[in-house]
Parts: sequence; C-alpha cells; structure tokens
Amino acid sequence: GQQLNQSPQSMFIQEGEDVSMNCTSSSIFNTWLWYKQEPGEGPVLLIALYKAGELTSNGRLTAQFGITRKDSFLNISASIPSDVGIYFCAGIQGAQKLVFGQGTRLTINP
Amino acid sequence: GAVVSQHPSWVICKSGTSVKIECRSLDFQATTMFWYRQFPKQSLMLMATSNEGSKATYEQGVEKDKFLINHASLTLSTLTVTSAHPEDSSFYICSANLHNEQFFGPGTRLTVL
Repeated sequence: GQQLNQSPQSMFIQEGEDVSMNCTSSSIFNTWLWYKQEPGEGPVLLIALYKAGELTSNGRLTAQFGITRKDSFLNISASIPSDVGIYFCAGIQGAQKLVFGQGTRLTINP
Repeated sequence: GAVVSQHPSWVICKSGTSVKIECRSLDFQATTMFWYRQFPKQSLMLMATSNEGSKATYEQGVEKDKFLINHASLTLSTLTVTSAHPEDSSFYICSANLHNEQFFGPGTRLTVL
C-alpha cells in the first residue's frame, strides 16, 4: 500500500536540542496528522492539520501543512526525555483511511 | 473521553489455532473501526475497515478468510486470526472513528509459535 516518505528514520539528540522531521508524498492529502507511539502502545495524536499552509502548535510541538498539500513537518523544541518515542506522520485518504509514514525514532541522551 | 481498549493486550498461541482480538470504544459509539498491523520497527499498515452492521472492507493483499472481522455493535469490533502461523506474529492495533478523528487502542501483541 501507499506510504508517506518520512525522514529521518532515526534521530539521536541531546536533551534540550530542537528536533525537526518531515513527510512528503506524491499524492495530495487534505488532512495531515502527526502521532507519537511509545513501545507496546497505540499511536496518540499530537497535531492535526486541515488547511494548506496551516501552522499549528501544541506546547513545544509545531507542525505545518505544506502549501502543495504533499508535505508536512513537525518540530519539537527544547527536547526532554519524555519526548522519546516513534513519531509518525499520516495523511487521510477517502473515507478516513489513514496512510502512515515510516516513522522517526527519537532517542534523547540526557 | 474517546478511549479505545483492546483485549487481550498480548497473546501467545500455537500454529494452526485461531485467535480473537477485541476492540472496544469505551465512551462513544463508532460505526467505523479500523484494524492495523505493525511489524517490528515498521509502520502501521491498514488491514481493513470495519463497519457496524455490514461487511468489512479489506485492503489489497489482506485475506478476508484469514482475518475475520465482526462489527456487531457500535462499541465492539473483533478480529479473528484463523489458522495462525508464525508469520502472523505482529502487533495488531485498532482505531475507532469519532467526529472524523481516529482514536487508537493500545494494541495486541500476537506471537504464534
């Protein structure tokens, strides 16, 4: 099935650093979502983007919906240990079908 | 609100047996639920869309006779992995749709010996 191209696949950073990850697609999506998944759990929604060009924040997280509707990025500022996990972008196709990116595994060195 | 549960959280079974996984929306009704499979260090892949009162819609490559889905009520969908084999070992995650947002369950880890 179709997947979104998410990068980087993994990141190793120091606590306090900022993080940036992005997703691109060959198809247009009308909604972009960013999720976080911790080991052995289901994904939890972080940010939802509904309009091209939209920039939305949720605490230290900021995400933008690309103008072309084919890309999105997620930034995390001033990372803390609890930010560790796997971050997934997802786009919605058709009747609420989610297409996920490959994920970005974030590791933070204290 | 919008809590989705799954049961069991993990299961180990012998090859050839069938396993049923339940997905429940605890505080809302969901006419549509989704079943995903996630292999280690990989992304979530949609298996099927479960619709209350009607047949599930399966994604290409997913065997409907092997992965039986029943959505008999507005709060419960079940996925039965029939004649499970080791290659079916995976993390199965469901989600339920509420106001155009999907809420995910905690997942079920299936290990087939």
